[in-house]
Amino acid sequence: GENVEQHPSTLSVQEGDSAVIKCTYSDSASNYFPWYKQELGKGPQLIIDIRSNVGEKKDQRIAVTLNKTAKHFSLHITETQPEDSAVYFCAAETGANNLFFGTGTRLTVIP
Amino acid sequence: DAGVTQSPTHLIKTRGQQVTLRCSPISGHKSVSWYQQVLGQGPQFIFQYYEKEERGRGNFPDRFSARQFPNYSSELNVNALLLGDSALYLCASSLAGGGKTQYFGPGTRLLVL
Repeated sequence: GENVEQHPSTLSVQEGDSAVIKCTYSDSASNYFPWYKQELGKGPQLIIDIRSNVGEKKDQRIAVTLNKTAKHFSLHITETQPEDSAVYFCAAETGANNLFFGTGTRLTVIP
Repeated sequence: DAGVTQSPTHLIKTRGQQVTLRCSPISGHKSVSWYQQVLGQGPQFIFQYYEKEERGRGNFPDRFSARQFPNYSSELNVNALLLGDSALYLCASSLAGGGKTQYFGPGTRLLVL
């Protein structure tokens, strides 16, 4: 089955700086890669996603890049704000609506 | 529009008991998936249902079962609870199966004593 690795496990940045979280996947059949933000006591919230026919996608301060050859994808958050502090999960899906999640990155934005 | 709703929000059970968790998908969504999230880890896939049929099953024992109703709501049942079943159980809905965006509910936190 699919194996998704995520790094780093924790990340602290100063407010206004950028944050980058990286994930790798093992199954070349994976074709959909969402990113979720999870705040304490809440369910994961979709923040951005990318499909395998696209190399990069942006939504305001958030961007995701995908390298299919290397089987890795990354989340970039620019101009970080304290409200960006949360746990972020990457995931991969082969098309069967079965998401395989990474182990999460706890992002702390220091005011 | 209402998002995915789950009930109950919290539950405490003892070993050996049985539990039923409930999920209502976003209006118009026909697919529901269940995930287990142990503290400090990412969610793990348990089941996917689409149009009332099981379309996928993760690596969980037969003590876990689920069903989907004609109104697309779903129930997850866990029998013979073990301490290790303590987790946040998440329900996600999507328009259809296969590569469609999944939207998660707030989860049910289950504690097994």
